[in-house]
Amino acid sequence: AQSVTQPDIHITVSEGASLELRCNYSYGATPYLFWYVQSPGQGLQLLLKYFSGDTLVQGIKGFEAEFKRSQSSFNLRKPSVHWSDAAEYFCAVGEGGGNKLTFGTGTQLKVEL
Amino acid sequence: GAGVSQSPRYKVTKRGQDVALRCDPISGHVSLYWYRQALGQGPEFLTYFNYEAQQDKSGLPNDRFSAERPEGSISTLTIQRTEQRDSAMYRCASSRTSPAGELFFGEGSRLTVL
Repeated sequence: AQSVTQPDIHITVSEGASLELRCNYSYGATPYLFWYVQSPGQGLQLLLKYFSGDTLVQGIKGFEAEFKRSQSSFNLRKPSVHWSDAAEYFCAVGEGGGNKLTFGTGTQLKVEL
Repeated sequence: GAGVSQSPRYKVTKRGQDVALRCDPISGHVSLYWYRQALGQGPEFLTYFNYEAQQDKSGLPNDRFSAERPEGSISTLTIQRTEQRDSAMYRCASSRTSPAGELFFGEGSRLTVL
């Protein structure tokens, strides 16, 4: 069965600092990988996805993620964090082409001004 | 509509009552998904539809849970004889195509069973 691990429950960074959120997955085949962001009282919004091809994918809001098959990882990065990036971030692996997602437990990001 | 709409946003019910949660997806979206999110956890897959056909219901916890999408648009998730452990945020999402490239989530329905 597929699974996703997000080892960091909470992360605090200063505005302007760089950010890396970790995600490790377990999946037998080539994974479909996603990062979603959830702001308070909002639905989840897709930041970026990886299906195949270039292992470095660019997303919205200046985020990027790198797929590393050898490490079963799909870490999310941003070079300079803005206060508005404070939210909860979920990594997910997709079965059936993304029709059935398994999410990690999320990482809560706090941004200090 | 402009986004995925869910109702009610909040539902408080007593144990043993039935509840129905409604999802109105983005117009024209082929697929509709239901997820459940407990506090401090990520969303957990329940079921999904392509048009009116339920494609996968492997995530429904037991036979008290059912879902339908009779006309390929609005969907209802029904929980019969609710129990306290059913308390959670129920999230609906839709996608333009299947397989899904991107899911568009609604704001969720918060269910509290007393």
